[in-house]
Amino acid sequence: EPEVTQTPSHQVTQMGQEVILRCVPISNHLYFYWYRQILGQKVEFLVSFYNNEISEKSEIFDDQFSVERPDGSNFTLKIRSTKLEDSAMYFCASSAGTGVYGYTFGSGTRLTVV
Amino acid sequence: GQQLNQSPQSMFIQEGEDVSMNCTSSSIFNTWLWYKQDPGEGPVLLIALYKAGELTSNGRLTAQFGITRKDSFLNISASIPSDVGIYFCAGQETSYDKVIFGPGTSLSVIP
Repeated sequence: EPEVTQTPSHQVTQMGQEVILRCVPISNHLYFYWYRQILGQKVEFLVSFYNNEISEKSEIFDDQFSVERPDGSNFTLKIRSTKLEDSAMYFCASSAGTGVYGYTFGSGTRLTVV
Repeated sequence: GQQLNQSPQSMFIQEGEDVSMNCTSSSIFNTWLWYKQDPGEGPVLLIALYKAGELTSNGRLTAQFGITRKDSFLNISASIPSDVGIYFCAGQETSYDKVIFGPGTSLSVIP
């Protein structure tokens, strides 16, 4: 079964550093998303991306964050100048655009800011 | 913004018992979703509901899309230890829209 692959599974970074979280969406999917889950809390939407541009973003997704699809297979989330409160699980998801069963989440990257 | 509430927050049940959990929304969704999350993993879709009043089953799981389109329930029959996890209800406007998650119900099954 096709999967959304995220790397690394766990990243530790110093406060103030930049991190890039990587995702390989399912190959024929057209819509891409990032979500965040702070420990013990619900999963929160960050941003959606379609046709090489951001289609929607939440209020969490401020100037500290950016997304990119640098080639035909990767989808990245960059967090500049990380803060302690950025510590969370970050999930990538992708969708074919039709049929909700095509909307698939990756296993996540656990980001720890120290 | 759109908000979902789930009850109960947590449940401790004996293996073999049936489970019921609920979700309500401050606004209408066109699609209701139920996800399960195991520790350290991403959410996995269990059931999707598309029409108000729809009742859908997936094995031991049954879910209903409320008539008002602002609520849903999930039932698990004859619980087993691998049912342990966090169950999230979620809403979606279209099949490619963002997914709005509820706060989750934590289920523990005592063997």
